[in-house]
Amino acid sequence: GAGVSQSPSNKVTEKGKDVELRCDPISGHTALYWYRQSLGQGLEFLIYFQGNSAPDKSGLPSDRFSAERTGGSVSTLTIQRTQQEDSAVYLCASSKSSGGVNEQFFGPGTRLTVL
Amino acid sequence: AQTVTQSQPEMSVQEAETVTLSCTYDTSENNYYLFWYKQPPSRQMILVIRQEAYKQQNATENRFSVNFQKAAKSFSLKISDSQLGDTAMYFCALFTSGTYKYIFGTGTRLKVLA
Repeated sequence: GAGVSQSPSNKVTEKGKDVELRCDPISGHTALYWYRQSLGQGLEFLIYFQGNSAPDKSGLPSDRFSAERTGGSVSTLTIQRTQQEDSAVYLCASSKSSGGVNEQFFGPGTRLTVL
Repeated sequence: AQTVTQSQPEMSVQEAETVTLSCTYDTSENNYYLFWYKQPPSRQMILVIRQEAYKQQNATENRFSVNFQKAAKSFSLKISDSQLGDTAMYFCALFTSGTYKYIFGTGTRLKVLA
């Protein structure tokens, strides 16, 4: 594809349910980032992958959050036992490699609403 | 700890005028990058301009330019000849090579008035 894609674009779930958010990066991009954007807030850095490896998971808000990347391509962000405070837009970005010299390209985001 | 502060939650500017968005940051690292991103109502985040900390010359991209004051840890964005399509949220961001993390400010909502 031409850009970063994310699915679903919107997700409404009930408190306590698990959700999976998917990110398809630009082909050939080895670095992939996940962010959370809450209403009225900036972007909160969650995790990044270089290839399939996530060197630093300390940005994940709690142990209910996990992420994986397989084949150096698609990534999935999983939130277990969702809470209302998890409601936010989750953005994914990819770049040719990790590092500030490489431009990040963002996806359109997944809006998660936890009822 | 790295921080990015945008002290102007909202701004407006008349079409064709010039506007400056403020950003201050804090980091103890010497090797870092600064960015301005634009997020229109469509939600798609777009890179506007980037500045490497080791470069003294201010970055410029067409109507967009920055005023990078390294000692003051200030990184403002100037938009010249504002256009209606510039209406968006603008985020300032910091990337430090030591942490490999991007830190974003809370954003400035810019409205360009016809």
